[in-house]
Amino acid sequence: DAGVIQSPRHEVTEMGQEVTLRCKPISGHDYLFWYRQTMMRGLELLIYFNNNVPIDDSGMPEDRFSAKMPNASFSTLKIQPSEPRDSAVYFCASSSTPGADYGYTFGSGTRLTVV
Amino acid sequence: GENVEQHPSTLSVQEGDSAVIKCTYSDSASNYFPWYKQELGKRPQLIIDIRSNVGEKKDQRIAVTLNKTAKHFSLHITETQPEDSAVYFCAASSTNAGKSTFGDGTTLTVKP
Repeated sequence: DAGVIQSPRHEVTEMGQEVTLRCKPISGHDYLFWYRQTMMRGLELLIYFNNNVPIDDSGMPEDRFSAKMPNASFSTLKIQPSEPRDSAVYFCASSSTPGADYGYTFGSGTRLTVV
Repeated sequence: GENVEQHPSTLSVQEGDSAVIKCTYSDSASNYFPWYKQELGKRPQLIIDIRSNVGEKKDQRIAVTLNKTAKHFSLHITETQPEDSAVYFCAASSTNAGKSTFGDGTTLTVKP
């Protein structure tokens, strides 16, 4: 298995632009998580899905952030409009049923820079 | 919800010494405790885990211990090497929660 695949690896965009981050979880994993990591705030859970259904989005910073999982093999995290304070590394992770009982496999992350 | 506290936030040891990182959790329903290692610029990776029906688990130079009564668990690294330098995260979860709650991380530096 190729693991959790994220794209792009790096993204530099101007303030106000729309940014879309992509994630392909490990086949057969029923849970998908989106995290944001910064030096100041550490590792923050933004949202997670179970069987493609959003379960908890309480970590999404504000309405500028949205996430979708249209099928078991693909998820997106969108920021519109982007702001400099959104600069961070965004990780996608997946795990198998039942829930997080078997540990997460993280993707390589997307390093987002908003200028 | 679950709350996980991790100590210390930074730890510096000499090569060959042991390192211990401690975590406490609040939810007695938590039954799974993974540890992740994140090297600089890399993704967090699962290095070892322990379930609530086990008190200790070892894998070569690393070991985890769990005290369910006190709600704390620890990571022990023996004979540390420079390549052990990384940020280590503990986490706790229960089957019903669907997600893990992470500690804030410990930056371990092993000096050659």
